[in-house]
Amino acid sequence: QVQLVQSGAEVQKPGASVKVSCKASGYTFSNYGITWVRQAPGQGLEWMGWISVLSGNTNYAQKLRGRVTLSTDSSTNTAHMELRGLTSDDTAVYYCTRGGMGGMDVWGQGTTVIVTS
Amino acid sequence: QSVLTQPPSVSGAPGQRVAISCTGSSSNIGANFDVNWYQQLPGTAPKLLIYGNTNRPSGVPDRFSGSKSGTSASLAITGLQAEDEADYYCQSYDSTLSVVVFGGGTKLTVL
Repeated sequence: QVQLVQSGAEVQKPGASVKVSCKASGYTFSNYGITWVRQAPGQGLEWMGWISVLSGNTNYAQKLRGRVTLSTDSSTNTAHMELRGLTSDDTAVYYCTRGGMGGMDVWGQGTTVIVTS
Repeated sequence: QSVLTQPPSVSGAPGQRVAISCTGSSSNIGANFDVNWYQQLPGTAPKLLIYGNTNRPSGVPDRFSGSKSGTSASLAITGLQAEDEADYYCQSYDSTLSVVVFGGGTKLTVL
């Protein structure tokens, strides 16, 4: 079946970086974009950015530009999200999703990232 | 605050109908960009509920329906059930910001 399986929870110190992976299966990876969304504790959904698996084109949320990098590896059907310069405000559950502005129809299970000294 | 505005909470008794509004502007919903809706049950990942303003993915009950008019959209749930208690989010695209935008979310309580 179509699914996105994400890497495990992370605990990082302020100033560090984190890289979350998202492995796709059950569909042709290059036919869809990948969107990353995060959710801080008790808060709503925040769009982080989108990457076209086919072209590698990206679009990032203004507030994260310069700190976030999205990438994909078509040889392993895996998408990656790297976030640098972590602060406590980056503590959240991070989701990868299939799709983009037209709707995100498949979601990963989420990866908890905790930033603490 | 969010580019798309939703009420923080709505409630209804089992069997009733509720509606959740999503208000945008001329640079997103009013610019004819589609609205999508997501349901997030407690402790789980969000799930696509409505796409392209009015379309339901396979498996979503027809108790859920979406509509759009002008700069606003609405999600209606009829025949409310206890299992519908969740957070609901609208989502569109903003042409001024050139990014995907979410509403702040609405918590539905089934009384």
